[in-house]
Amino acid sequence: GNSVTQMEGPVTLSEEAFLTINCTYTATGYPSLFWYVQYPGEGLQLLLKATKADDKGSNKGFEATYRKETTSFHLEKGSVQVSDSAVYFCALSPARAGAQKLVFGQGTRLTINP
Amino acid sequence: GAVVSQHPSWVICKSGTSVKIECRSLDFQATTMFWYRQFPKQSLMLMATSNEGSKATYEQGVEKDKFLINHASLTLSTLTVTSAHPEDSSFYICSASLPSGSAYEQYFGPGTRLTVT
Repeated sequence: GNSVTQMEGPVTLSEEAFLTINCTYTATGYPSLFWYVQYPGEGLQLLLKATKADDKGSNKGFEATYRKETTSFHLEKGSVQVSDSAVYFCALSPARAGAQKLVFGQGTRLTINP
Repeated sequence: GAVVSQHPSWVICKSGTSVKIECRSLDFQATTMFWYRQFPKQSLMLMATSNEGSKATYEQGVEKDKFLINHASLTLSTLTVTSAHPEDSSFYICSASLPSGSAYEQYFGPGTRLTVT
């Protein structure tokens, strides 16, 4: 079946540190891959996505590259800010036509200290 | 664009009563909406897929008679928690699906926090 595994949190960093949150997946074919961010008390917001192998999604300084060979979609940011503190979810949408369901990882809580 | 709203944002109800949560796509039409439940510090659990004009599809283990879903129009889906109990207290999040190229994107509402006393 389809599944997503994220690195366990919580992750605590200082401002301007480099961030990596690991995400690997199990799926058949070429699923679409997503990173969502959830700020305290809010719903999820799409952060970035990639729909085929070697695609790089990017937004707000965050990047993730769709690696088919390692079935990974790690999230990176070169210099984090306090405002990046949130919970980050990696997710996939299966490759089959018409598939709309998302499969989420367990989420990684990120705290950035000033 | 692609904004999804939920109402109410929080609600407190007594055990045994029912509560309705609305999910609206404000600037687009969505034939498919999803309802999730999120426990503190945990991931989202998909409860059901709501299809406009047809019955919802529930995930395994979700009681369809307890969590009534109605998707009466292309911009509105409702979740009614019937005969609520304290264990139903949770954060409920909806999303609406839009085609994007060869895939779909889901746009999430801000969530509704339900507390059953």
